[in-house]
Amino acid sequence: DQQVKQNSPSLSVQEGRISILNCDYTNSMFDYFLWYKKYPAEGPTFLISISSIKDKNEDGRFTVFLNKSAKHLSLHIVPSQPGDSAVYFCAAEISGTYKYIFGTGTRLKVLA
Amino acid sequence: DTEVTQTPKHLVMGMTNKKSLKCEQHMGHRAMYWYKQKAKKPPELMFVYSYEKLSINESVPSRFSPECPNSSLLNLHLHALQPEDSALYLCASSQGARRYTFGSGTRLTVV
Repeated sequence: DQQVKQNSPSLSVQEGRISILNCDYTNSMFDYFLWYKKYPAEGPTFLISISSIKDKNEDGRFTVFLNKSAKHLSLHIVPSQPGDSAVYFCAAEISGTYKYIFGTGTRLKVLA
Repeated sequence: DTEVTQTPKHLVMGMTNKKSLKCEQHMGHRAMYWYKQKAKKPPELMFVYSYEKLSINESVPSRFSPECPNSSLLNLHLHALQPEDSALYLCASSQGARRYTFGSGTRLTVV
């Protein structure tokens, strides 16, 4: 039972355009969400997070949107750069449990 | 120092071997984690240590044995593994339950 799903295994975007990565979850108890980026042969690195009391969080080129009623979050990258090419994982947590559930990942390719 | 260091980076072991994976952080984080990641799958939580005590064991087989000798160090002892245990093993740490910092992982192959 996959509680956190990323239905697009891959995405290709032209450099300079917007990349939109989507994530759906099933457990309404999740109240903290994060996005991680992973390059080959490296561990995941933290990108951006959002608490369930917010519906948007922005950090430079990265914005995360949370729609609690739809149990959906998305990551927008604007403008996309070739260095953004990586696998992106969303993760969800029930506060205080120390337990993240990761999505299956989306491989983003930004074309120069 | 803002890194989590994992050694070795690669490990090949036989099914009768005993080996250990090591993870170290000097950020003062009090929670440390072991995750397992198979190809094209998300990382899956194995163990959580909080203040050097095991707080979560996700029903991991006993052939995996974690150890937290001090607040900076986390080991994963391996014994009698199966080929299906081949995976990337990721260590992470966090201050509280937010924003893990991950290591680069140990790529384990069981032959």
